[in-house]
Amino acid sequence: DAKTTQPNSMESNEEEPVHLPCNHSTISGTDYIHWYRQLPSQGPEYVIHGLTSNVNNRMASLAIAEDRKSSTLILHRATLRDAAVYYCILRDVRFGGYQKVTFGTGTKLQVIP
Amino acid sequence: GAVVSQHPSWVICKSGTSVKIECRSLDFQATTMFWYRQFPKQSLMLMATSNEGSKATYEQGVEKDKFLINHASLTLSTLTVTSAHPEDSSFYICSGKRTAKNIQYFGAGTRLSVL
Repeated sequence: DAKTTQPNSMESNEEEPVHLPCNHSTISGTDYIHWYRQLPSQGPEYVIHGLTSNVNNRMASLAIAEDRKSSTLILHRATLRDAAVYYCILRDVRFGGYQKVTFGTGTKLQVIP
Repeated sequence: GAVVSQHPSWVICKSGTSVKIECRSLDFQATTMFWYRQFPKQSLMLMATSNEGSKATYEQGVEKDKFLINHASLTLSTLTVTSAHPEDSSFYICSGKRTAKNIQYFGAGTRLSVL
């Protein structure tokens, strides 16, 4: 399985943008890049995913490097409710629904008021 | 987004008893469901994967006779922790994958405390 590497923790000031990096140097051509986040004492929540092009949704933006070996999750304006552990995960589209997803340690984001 | 309901959210039981946790996909059909366990300050560990109508596939080191998984319909999966012991105390989280979408949706988790 292709692995991802993320910083253990990051800090951000409230109402400022946050850029959460993820390295996936062994990514294959059929791997989608997924981001989930887990708020304290809750199950993970889907944030965004993409393959090659940058993606935007109401929660965040995903910037994918041209060689796809890294990506960045962008929270445009951090709020206290964004304090969570953010997981970057690769999912191979060839395996459809049966592929198991392995979670790494993620990045714990602390938002400072 | 799709909703996965997990019940109960919190359970305390005596050592030696069995506990059943339910996971329902409320507004979509989940062909595949996953069960995870999470210890404090650790990441999620996948326990097993199940497809509707089939036997679950357990990860290495997970006892299938202790953690019984039933995925009887496209909207319901259950995890039964049999003969629970204090070391089984953990946060259990289920997840369903929507048919034709490569996204997993997670329940809110069940905190199990075995006394």
